[in-house]
Amino acid sequence: AQTVTQSQPEMSVQEAETVTLSCTYDTSESDYYLFWYKQPPSRQMILVIRQEAYKQQNATENRFSVNFQKAAKSFSLKISDSQLGDAAMYFCAYRSAFTGTASKLTFGTGTRLQVTL
Amino acid sequence: NAGVTQTPKFQVLKTGQSMTLQCAQDMNHNSMYWYRQDPGMGLRLIYYSASEGTTDKGEVPNGYNVSRLNKREFSLRLESAAPSQTSVYFCASSEHLFTEAFFGQGTRLTVV
Repeated sequence: AQTVTQSQPEMSVQEAETVTLSCTYDTSESDYYLFWYKQPPSRQMILVIRQEAYKQQNATENRFSVNFQKAAKSFSLKISDSQLGDAAMYFCAYRSAFTGTASKLTFGTGTRLQVTL
Repeated sequence: NAGVTQTPKFQVLKTGQSMTLQCAQDMNHNSMYWYRQDPGMGLRLIYYSASEGTTDKGEVPNGYNVSRLNKREFSLRLESAAPSQTSVYFCASSEHLFTEAFFGQGTRLTVV
């Protein structure tokens, strides 16, 4: 079974600075998808960024980028120029690319990001 | 741009009561899901529906039933609520099983 580990329960960053959230996962599969979701106090789960395992290039979405290290099974999220609106819980998630198990998103336990002035 | 809509947003039940959580999506997605979120545990899959007319158990299905009413709607039923079912419930949908999921705003359910 796949597992996703987020070892940082809480992180803090100053506004306009850069922060990196860590995520590691364990799988025996060769093809899969990785996601970062943001959950602000409103409780809504918002997709931040997605990475396909077969792509070597790291995904980027505006101020958000990932460092995907397939051999190390690591998938960290970098937030540049942090803004107050980035304060939220961030979840790393894994999804298999195989039909039998693709239904399930496996989530980490989350990292709460605080943004300070 | 409603996306995924869940009702209700909050609910308090007494042990043994039943209720149905409703979910509807307007993105013409094929797959729909129900997750529960508990403190310190991330989200766990309860049931999913890969396509209209099919439903399957997820990681934590005990105590729940689902109905995929049509392509848009996917409901979750608690037949006899227990305090262990106190949680935040999320409905989600995706175009297919392999694509990213979009979530509703969640339902905070408390069973006393």
